[in-house]
Amino acid sequence: NAGVMQNPRHLVRRRGQEARLRCSPMKGHSHVYWYRQLPEEGLKFMVYLQKENIIDESGMPKERFSAEFPKEGPSILRIQQVVRGDSAAYFCASSPPSVDTEAFFGQGTRLTVV
Amino acid sequence: AQTVTQSQPEMSVQEAETVTLSCTYDTSESNYYLFWYKQPPSRQMILVIRQEAYKQQNATENRFSVNFQKAAKSFSLKISDSQLGDTAMYFCAFMKLPNAGKSTFGDGTTLTVKP
Repeated sequence: NAGVMQNPRHLVRRRGQEARLRCSPMKGHSHVYWYRQLPEEGLKFMVYLQKENIIDESGMPKERFSAEFPKEGPSILRIQQVVRGDSAAYFCASSPPSVDTEAFFGQGTRLTVV
Repeated sequence: AQTVTQSQPEMSVQEAETVTLSCTYDTSESNYYLFWYKQPPSRQMILVIRQEAYKQQNATENRFSVNFQKAAKSFSLKISDSQLGDTAMYFCAFMKLPNAGKSTFGDGTTLTVKP
């Protein structure tokens, strides 16, 4: 059973470009969570999705950021018109339908905006 | 809203000795989980140990154990017989049920194990 797969591992974008980060959850997991880790800080919750539904986006910036988890395919975190402050590690986690369990993390995508 | 505080940004310990990492949290919830995660230089988030708030017994996992003081809202991690491979950033995390997977993390403690 493969773990949570994130790609790419490293992404470099110029200011103003779009960044697309992908996350394939573990087999049997229908819940996906995105977190952002700024340098020297802990992980900060961004958004919680189930298939085709955004359940909780209380941690998402109001502009430029969006997330989806389609019926087929990976979850996508999209950042439009990236700025230097978006440089961070972005982690995806997944969990099974049961609510009383922790999520399992992917290895993260390190986004660098130049 | 929940908050998690790790008051020790950096710690070091000699190989084979014991070290304790501190964590306090603030919540009005009664049903929750607490976690310690390890993040080595590879950046992978590795679950070290989990504690359910309704359990009075402290969780243990091999060389790792916790001291969970619910009334004091304290959740420290003890690492016994420290090994060089324990060198990493350690994060304390709080998860309110039933929001499985949505956790609040502390800012981390960088632990260095010295030979």
